[in-house]
Amino acid sequence: GENVEQHPSTLSVQEGDSAVIKCTYSDSASNYFPWYKQELGKRPQLIIDIRSNVGEKKDQRIAVTLNKTAKHFSLHITETQPEDSAVYFCAARGNSGGSNYKLTFGKGTLLTVNP
Amino acid sequence: GAGVSQTPSNKVTEKGKYVELRCDPISGHTALYWYRQSLGQGPEFLIYFQGTGAADDSGLPNDRFFAVRPEGSVSTLKIQRTERGDSAVYLCASSSDRVHEQFFGPGTRLTVL
Repeated sequence: GENVEQHPSTLSVQEGDSAVIKCTYSDSASNYFPWYKQELGKRPQLIIDIRSNVGEKKDQRIAVTLNKTAKHFSLHITETQPEDSAVYFCAARGNSGGSNYKLTFGKGTLLTVNP
Repeated sequence: GAGVSQTPSNKVTEKGKYVELRCDPISGHTALYWYRQSLGQGPEFLIYFQGTGAADDSGLPNDRFFAVRPEGSVSTLKIQRTERGDSAVYLCASSSDRVHEQFFGPGTRLTVL
């Protein structure tokens, strides 16, 4: 099955700096890669996603890039703010054996933005 | 509209007891998923429903776990003979169909003493 690795596990930046979180996946048939933000004790919330027919997607201060050849994708947050502090999870939706619905998550990155 | 809701928000039980966790998906969403999230980990897939049927239950850890969705809307995750290792946050998600984004509920924190 699909395996997703996420790095780093913790990331601390100064307010206004950029933050980058990287993920790799194992199933070359995976075609959908969402990113979720989870604040302490809250539900995971989708912040951006990308499909395999696109190399990059931006939404204001957030961008995601995808390299299908290398099987990795990254989340970029620019001009970070204290309210960006949370755990971020990457995920991949595999397509092996017709299971194109199941999300496999990375272990998460705790982002701390220091004022 | 209302998002995915889950009840109870917290459940404390004793080892060996039976528990039921409920999920109300977004109205009209035909796909429903259960995940389990242990401390410091990402959510792990348990089971997927398309309509009333469990299309994939390969993530259920053993036969103590069972889930139903009898009318294609509300789903109940049932755990028999609970063990301390079952302690986790159980998350439910729904989507309009299997290829679109999944929206998560707030989860049920299960603690088995």
